[in-house]
Amino acid sequence: DIQMTQSPSTLPASEGDRVTITCRASQSIDNWLAWYQQKPGEAPKLLIYKASSLESGVPSRFSGIRSGTEFTLTISSLQPEDLATYYCQQYESFPITYGQGTRLEI
Amino acid sequence: EVQLVESGGGLVQPGGSLRLSCAASGFTFSSYGMNWVRQPPGKGLEWVSHISISGNTYYADSVKGRFTISRDNSKTTLHLQMNSLRDEDTAVYYCAKDGSGSFYKWWGQGTLVTVSS
Repeated sequence: DIQMTQSPSTLPASEGDRVTITCRASQSIDNWLAWYQQKPGEAPKLLIYKASSLESGVPSRFSGIRSGTEFTLTISSLQPEDLATYYCQQYESFPITYGQGTRLEI
Repeated sequence: EVQLVESGGGLVQPGGSLRLSCAASGFTFSSYGMNWVRQPPGKGLEWVSHISISGNTYYADSVKGRFTISRDNSKTTLHLQMNSLRDEDTAVYYCAKDGSGSFYKWWGQGTLVTVSS
């Protein structure tokens, strides 16, 4: 199984900050990585797919990049509504696996 | 508009069974892979199972041999039959539709399964 190691687990941040969350895959997954945002009591929301493709309707302050087996989600200027938990997900092969999550604290 | 509506959750004793359903609408159901993803209270996401458009099935090791995913294309409904339930199966269960790969833009609202005596 492909393990996804996500860091940090919690991230204190302030409005306007540039925020970076990292996920490392235990083996090559090419660009088959997605990022999700989840707010309490809600289903996850797709932000990024294929490592760097922005889902329609997602603000452009969200971006994703790949370097080898390391993937990064960046929020360029944090907004109050970005308070949430963020997950990476690999879909290179079954079983699909997720990172442990990063909780943003504003 | 795509809609996914789960049902069938509830309280069940350890060792018991439960069948979840996901009613799908707003897209051509038979043309997409479908999935179940769960989230224990206060914890992260865990993929459970996938069924392809041709009916091929995949399972997480934690549920293999106990859970069975199926689809009824005529009723545009996804099912998850859960047997031999354990305390650690307690979670909100979401159904999710494949995108152009196994990532999920469309999710249901989730249904809570509680396994407890």
